[in-house]
Amino acid sequence: DADVTQTPRNRITKTGKRIMLECSQTKGHDRMYWYRQDPGLGLRLIYYSFDVKDINKGEISDGYSVSRQAQAKFSLSLESAIPNQTALYFCATSDKDPSSYNEQFFGPGTRLTVL
Amino acid sequence: QKEVEQNSGPLSVPEGAIASLNCTYSDRVSQSFFWYRQYSGKSPELIMSIYSNGDKEDGRFTAQLNKASQYVSLLIRDSQPSDSATYLCAVDNTGGFKTIFGAGTRLFVKA
Repeated sequence: DADVTQTPRNRITKTGKRIMLECSQTKGHDRMYWYRQDPGLGLRLIYYSFDVKDINKGEISDGYSVSRQAQAKFSLSLESAIPNQTALYFCATSDKDPSSYNEQFFGPGTRLTVL
Repeated sequence: QKEVEQNSGPLSVPEGAIASLNCTYSDRVSQSFFWYRQYSGKSPELIMSIYSNGDKEDGRFTAQLNKASQYVSLLIRDSQPSDSATYLCAVDNTGGFKTIFGAGTRLFVKA
């Protein structure tokens, strides 16, 4: 079984719709992240959470919100989707143990298309 | 200036050759450096981590770090067609609070 799972894997929606992307992990990691990937731009951090009560904005948080429901679950919401949010979205986790040096492990991704 | 820069490629090498991938970073206090491999349509997969100046070898992969020059590289020996992918360089520059990714270098290994 995959250590980091994301649902849905693909989603097509319309402008203005609310969308939720979900991430679950069985790695027992405290830290979780949401990234988006666009061609030529690499991975950009949207939000990150170092524990259930700690949520922080990344470099491109506008238009997004998150919820950390439990250590193992971290959801990303697009309150009112717009076409330039069309991208590949990845969830990632890492261990808070300093000896892990923040190595990150990624879910399979969600391909989101906003029409 | 981008925080982590990589040549976008594509870098094309023949099967069996050494592929050399390079990355520069801007923040001198960066502490941890990573190479991720990403196949088309798939998620990034960690293949190498390096934290100290010098070389680190793992099988066919060698990561090289030069903090004075703010430069990290990945060498792939005996390149195989299955190594064809995009390689992302990542730098952790806040002691574990945020990792910055480069845009990646596309590698093609010709059979």
